[in-house]
Amino acid sequence: DVKVTQSSRYLVKRTGEKVFLECVQDMDHENMFWYRQDPGLGLRLIYFSYDVKMKEKGDIPEGYSVSREKKERFSLILESASTNQTSMYLCAVEASGSFYEQYFGPGTRLTVT
Amino acid sequence: SQQGEEDPQALSIQEGENATMNCSYKTSINNLQWYRQNSGRGLVHLILIRSNEREKHSGRLRVTLDTSKKSSSLLITASRAADTASYFCATAWAGNTGKLIFGQGTTLQVKP
Repeated sequence: DVKVTQSSRYLVKRTGEKVFLECVQDMDHENMFWYRQDPGLGLRLIYFSYDVKMKEKGDIPEGYSVSREKKERFSLILESASTNQTSMYLCAVEASGSFYEQYFGPGTRLTVT
Repeated sequence: SQQGEEDPQALSIQEGENATMNCSYKTSINNLQWYRQNSGRGLVHLILIRSNEREKHSGRLRVTLDTSKKSSSLLITASRAADTASYFCATAWAGNTGKLIFGQGTTLQVKP
């Protein structure tokens, strides 16, 4: 199984700050994903990446950007954090050669005050 | 929206009973997957059923898929307190490589 780690479990930031959330996999899989999870809204895809320096917008990319300079690392960036970005952020890695099975990190609960 | 819908939203049962949760979706799919999420944690992949399969088993889990009705069900038999979690279905679209569409989940509480 793929091991997926996220840089922080809990994070508190102020409005307007630039926030970096990091996700690292312990293998060499190509597809990586960032979701946010909110009560009543389920998981929503923010961005995904299908290789180094390759990215594609998901359903709710506004206010976010991503970076993938190395295959094992996929970063989510909140350019100027706002209170409506308070959420649980989940990173996932798709196992190559699987039928799109995803392995998730433990999540980062971000609070923007 | 292509998002799946799950039913019920919440389920409370006694230990030892069976738990059934349902998922409906809207598009043609490549496969359907079920995930579990313990409170405040990431999702864990449980089981996958391909579009040409009708039923699949894994331990105490049984998944069925009816592509004509665009629906799936997850049955957990002989439930345990440790099964308390949220359960999500996710569909992989035909022709949309990699992206999954998640349902909103069923919250299962198993009382000891």
